[in-house]
Amino acid sequence: NAGVTQTPKFQVLKTGQSMTLQCAQDMNHEYMSWYRQDPGMGLRLIHYSVGAGITDQGEVPNGYNVSRSTTEDFPLRLLSAAPSQTSVYFCASSETGTGEEKLFFGSGTQLSVL
Amino acid sequence: QQPVQSPQAVILREGEDAVINCSSSKALYSVHWYRQKHGEAPVFLMILLKGGEQKGHEKISASFNEKKQQSSLYLTASQLSYSGTYFCIHRLRGKLIFGQGTTLQVKP
Repeated sequence: NAGVTQTPKFQVLKTGQSMTLQCAQDMNHEYMSWYRQDPGMGLRLIHYSVGAGITDQGEVPNGYNVSRSTTEDFPLRLLSAAPSQTSVYFCASSETGTGEEKLFFGSGTQLSVL
Repeated sequence: QQPVQSPQAVILREGEDAVINCSSSKALYSVHWYRQKHGEAPVFLMILLKGGEQKGHEKISASFNEKKQQSSLYLTASQLSYSGTYFCIHRLRGKLIFGQGTTLQVKP
């Protein structure tokens, strides 16, 4: 029973490089989301999805793309990394996203952009 | 809009009590509470779904006042393991939004 799996755990990029953070869940959850957490701050919502083929922007979507082609996977793409995107990224899922069930979190990805 | 938490930080001695508040400028239908330890993902504590509903988790409980658009988390007889950052989450227009967090430090 894996839950929410995020890869990689650590990543260092140079400014302008692109990369994809992977997130997969095996609980058949409809709702998946990406948050970023900066030092001393709460988690801020980047993008979220309420089902395959449906995505929407969160609080801080600029510089990030997402897609949801399957229920299980919700990758986050950085097209041209910037130092301001240095952060810890968490993927989270819940059964429906109505706010009535708990969020399950991945273990996080620490990203540094030089 | 982000839920507003208060206080921002609390320092306690073991065995003392604490209250963390979470308020919203919008109508609330549910509130989540999570605790995060340094370098780890947030861990679920409880969800409150109805106004006035109180839930408990060990010696941690919470209340939810729909009318006042606020929730409070109560930590009684605090233990060293309670140290961490506490977050409330509310659902706004389909988005699950975190408060800025309250850092709790419990000292021996």
